[in-house]
Amino acid sequence: EAGVTQFPSHSVIEKGQTVTLRCDPISGHDNLYWYRRVMGKEIKFLLHFVKESKQDESGMPNNRFLAERTGGTYSTLKVQPAELEDSGVYFCASSGGLLYEQYFGPGTRLTVT
Amino acid sequence: KQEVTQIPAALSVPEGENLVLNCSFTDSAIYNLQWFRQDPGKGLTSLLLIQSSQREQTSGRLNASLDKSSGRSTLYIAASQPGDSATYLCAVRLSGGYQKVTFGTGTKLQVIP
Repeated sequence: EAGVTQFPSHSVIEKGQTVTLRCDPISGHDNLYWYRRVMGKEIKFLLHFVKESKQDESGMPNNRFLAERTGGTYSTLKVQPAELEDSGVYFCASSGGLLYEQYFGPGTRLTVT
Repeated sequence: KQEVTQIPAALSVPEGENLVLNCSFTDSAIYNLQWFRQDPGKGLTSLLLIQSSQREQTSGRLNASLDKSSGRSTLYIAASQPGDSATYLCAVRLSGGYQKVTFGTGTKLQVIP
């Protein structure tokens, strides 16, 4: 069974540019989560999808961040325009069933210069 | 607001030693608690998941306990090996509502051969 995959693994962009991160969850997992870890800090929750619906987006830092989950399958997280403080590692996780055990992808390291 | 603390922040032990990692949380109304390990530059690997109704879970040399009333969980690693060197994270999922997940800052473990 394939795990959670994320693309790209690294992205370096200039301030003001746009970046789109992609996450493919484990097949059949209805729950998809985005998290972010900035330098030296703990992993912070961004948002949670149940199928294609946003269940909780209270962790999204501001309206420069837009997440979508087309057809309840893969998800994208767009940052537009990117700022220096957006640099960090963005993780995606998915879970299925009532245990809500999360399986994480390898992360996308975003560097904004 | 749930706060999750992990002590110590870093730990160095000789190979073969048994060790305990600690995770404390402030809101005891949890759904479950999950322990992860993270290797440098990699994603998070799930180690153990404890439901709120459980007291402990075991997997191989790992044993995780949960005491909701005191807001604590411990991860016990028996007969440590150099391959256990990684950062260990606990993540607490609240019950009810949106079941937001809060991560601790992690314990960086080094097992010296």
